Amino acid sequence: SQQGEEDPQALSIQEGENATMNCSYKTSINNLQWYRQNSGRGLVHLILIRSNEREKHSGRLRVTLDTSKKSSSLLITASRAADTASYFCATDAYTGNQFYFGTGTSLTVIP
Amino acid sequence: DVKVTQSSRYLVKRTGEKVFLECVQDMDHENMFWYRQDPGLGLRLIYFSYDVKMKEKGDIPEGYSVSREKKERFSLILESASTNQTSMYLCASSLSFLWGKNTEAFFGQGTRLTVV
Repeated sequence: SQQGEEDPQALSIQEGENATMNCSYKTSINNLQWYRQNSGRGLVHLILIRSNEREKHSGRLRVTLDTSKKSSSLLITASRAADTASYFCATDAYTGNQFYFGTGTSLTVIP
Repeated sequence: DVKVTQSSRYLVKRTGEKVFLECVQDMDHENMFWYRQDPGLGLRLIYFSYDVKMKEKGDIPEGYSVSREKKERFSLILESASTNQTSMYLCASSLSFLWGKNTEAFFGQGTRLTVV
């Protein structure tokens, strides 16, 4: 399987703190994306970073990509209780027509 | 807003039943996907389709089949449901994976299937 891996598996922080989660993947990619999943729901797209980009921002989200290390990180600044969710990275490879998802990081933000 | 709609949020079926999970998208997307999600295992791809009547096996196709007769609809079929197919099933759609396109996936709300 070419499934990626997020790290850590679970993260618990206080409201207002920053949350950082990491993703490693195995193949060369076109894009890497981050998704959020609230409990019992489908996934919602957060941000996409292309393979030729190194950093991208969207509101309180900052994503970095290091293709030489095949890794990415998602930083959520000034976290809120509403950010409590699972976060997944996904890659789409040069070959094939698939998304490869990681196993997810479960984030809990304590009010 | 892009919408991917799965026919049921919760489903309870008996062992041996034939089960149909339906998914409809309204964005004229070429690609459609079926995943199952289990604790600790993340999302695992069952089947995907990149065009009408076209399908490809994902990582765990055993015990499942799919049908895509129209571009907007992708059905997952459990030929003979078993208890180990109890899971959350997620449908998604996206544009074709051509270089330069933003291939964001849009997900349905999920179907929680319990096989008893």
